[in-house]
Amino acid sequence: ETGVTQSPTHLIKTRGQQVTLRCSSQSGHNTVSWYQQALGQGPQFIFQYYREEENGRGNFPPRFSGLQFPNYSSELNVNALELDDSALYLCASAAEVPGEQYFGPGTRLTVT
Amino acid sequence: GENVEQHPSTLSVQEGDSAVIKCTYSDSASNYFPWYKQELGKRPQLIIDIRSNVGEKKDQRIAVTLNKTAKHFSLHITETQPEDSAVYFCAATAGNKLTFGGGTRVLVKP
Repeated sequence: ETGVTQSPTHLIKTRGQQVTLRCSSQSGHNTVSWYQQALGQGPQFIFQYYREEENGRGNFPPRFSGLQFPNYSSELNVNALELDDSALYLCASAAEVPGEQYFGPGTRLTVT
Repeated sequence: GENVEQHPSTLSVQEGDSAVIKCTYSDSASNYFPWYKQELGKRPQLIIDIRSNVGEKKDQRIAVTLNKTAKHFSLHITETQPEDSAVYFCAATAGNKLTFGGGTRVLVKP
């Protein structure tokens, strides 16, 4: 198991609501990336944070936003939830880019 | 942006046989190619990776080859075991963005 943790494990929200997901990176890792994994598909890159700054973004709308804190933990915020946002959200931390990314267990988000 | 295609989408092999998964990528700037194994309900775990300055890498029963000219890379698993059953993802990194393939569901039949 990696040292990356995520909370909560599962979450059920209603369409239009807002959600915050949290990620604690592995010790010594200053880079955190977030991914969305729909059922039966590969993870899709949402964005990456390096030393508290956004350092790259995938094809996701602005209602997906994030933060990284001085201890390198991170949050993913999603506003105005849509049914298609239902997925497994994974965070991954890394000590260098490009390099091995260590994934957390994920947060399963269900939007009804 | 980068596009990674992965084939086949499903692969069934007899225990002890070899399994091969192939991926192609589009961005010639990609320089890091990891392979992840994801078991049902679990996080992706790195099983092997290769950088663009290397053509082949091996770790026990697992090997990866990279052809930069053709922009394709492959995963080879020899002497497959039932515990190799999982979904495998290839990925390519251009800059700081990791792009995944669609995955290959591997079933090893005892």
